[in-house]
Amino acid sequence: DAGVTQSPTHLIKTRGQQVTLRCSPKSGHDTVSWYQQALGQGPQFIFQYYEEEERQRGNFPDRFSGHQFPNYSSELNVNALLLGDSALYLCASSLLPVEGFYEQYFGPGTRLTVT
Amino acid sequence: GEDVEQSLFLSVREGDSSVINCTYTDSSSTYLYWYKQEPGAGLQLLTYIFSNMDMKQDQRLTVLLNKKDKHLSLRIADTQTGDSAIYFCAPSLKVSGGYNKLIFGAGTRLAVHP
Repeated sequence: DAGVTQSPTHLIKTRGQQVTLRCSPKSGHDTVSWYQQALGQGPQFIFQYYEEEERQRGNFPDRFSGHQFPNYSSELNVNALLLGDSALYLCASSLLPVEGFYEQYFGPGTRLTVT
Repeated sequence: GEDVEQSLFLSVREGDSSVINCTYTDSSSTYLYWYKQEPGAGLQLLTYIFSNMDMKQDQRLTVLLNKKDKHLSLRIADTQTGDSAIYFCAPSLKVSGGYNKLIFGAGTRLAVHP
């Protein structure tokens, strides 16, 4: 079982550009969540996808958008990159949460640097 | 509001017990999780506790929950150098629409020295 995989591992972009990050969930999982982890901080919830729809969203601007495909893999897109978008982007997969319980498996993350 | 606070740093001697503390503000948490992050890696779920419990033991790990004080702690017995990592407390909070999301603290960096 491959677990959660993310690509690319590292990425360097320039302010104003757009970026797409990819995630493949753990086998059998149908729910994908994305988090942003700034240096020295805990992960901040961006959004969650289930059945190809965004179920819930954190306090992130519309520049952050996502997609989930029929095979449950997911993409995170960020437009008009700002220096403050530099962070580790983590993808986590799980089964659909029930009454607050869900065992999320995290990928290794994509390190995005915006210059 | 949603807020989770942890002390930033803890240093212990190998073989001693480590206790990592966490306080949170939202009382609607149903499950509370502890995650571990090693350098350059994603987060690994260590253990969790349901909000109607006050203690859970899982091998070397003991989780204590004081729901009245909104205080959660993780005790690691016989701490080893391999336990050196950042530990995150993450209560699961109810949000609109009946969904839940995890709120992470800033993490406690545990350093284990010989």
